[in-house]
Amino acid sequence: SQTIHQWPATLVQPVGSPLSLECTVEGTSNPNLYWYRQAAGRGLQLLFYSVGIGQISSEVPQNLSASRPQDRQFILSSKKLLLSDSGFYLCAWSAGAAYNSPLHFGNGTRLTVT
Amino acid sequence: ILNVEQSPQSLHVQEGDSTNFTCSFPSSNFYALHWYRWETAKSPEALFVMTLNGDEKKKGRISATLNTKEGYSYLYIKGSQPEDSATYLCAFGTALIFGKGTTLSVSS
Repeated sequence: SQTIHQWPATLVQPVGSPLSLECTVEGTSNPNLYWYRQAAGRGLQLLFYSVGIGQISSEVPQNLSASRPQDRQFILSSKKLLLSDSGFYLCAWSAGAAYNSPLHFGNGTRLTVT
Repeated sequence: ILNVEQSPQSLHVQEGDSTNFTCSFPSSNFYALHWYRWETAKSPEALFVMTLNGDEKKKGRISATLNTKEGYSYLYIKGSQPEDSATYLCAFGTALIFGKGTTLSVSS
């Protein structure tokens, strides 16, 4: 069966520090991969999605970047965190195009930027 | 900018009550509508993926309907149980724009 791992679960980082969140999927090949963020009082916002290695689409201009160095690995990064980067980050995968395949989410990372 | 609206924002019912909530979305260029359940301390779980006007999906006591022409979907829960307490999210479009969700609380 397919599983998705996301870490760390919680993170407290000072403003201006770098960020790296990692997500890996097991049990499937060539998944579509996604990073979502839920800021306080807001809905889930799509940040990045990837349909293959090295292929990244950004939905919202921001202080973050994403990379997909391997088929089942998706990394969210920042060179310098801002207070507004605080939130709950979720990684997800789907077997096909997101509009007709369900998303399978990781357990999330709670990021607090101080 | 696509806008997905969910109502009500929150709902409190008694065990055994049946309830429903709404997801509204733009009626043009429809691809699919997703429903997810997000329980506290867990990750969101897919309930339904709906792609055709008039679609009706059912999973146990939970069902959903879709009207793409008028741009809405209803989620129904029959005989609510405390374990149904969660936030229910809908998502729309090729990039899956999520609504803010309806938080359901069921008292025993």
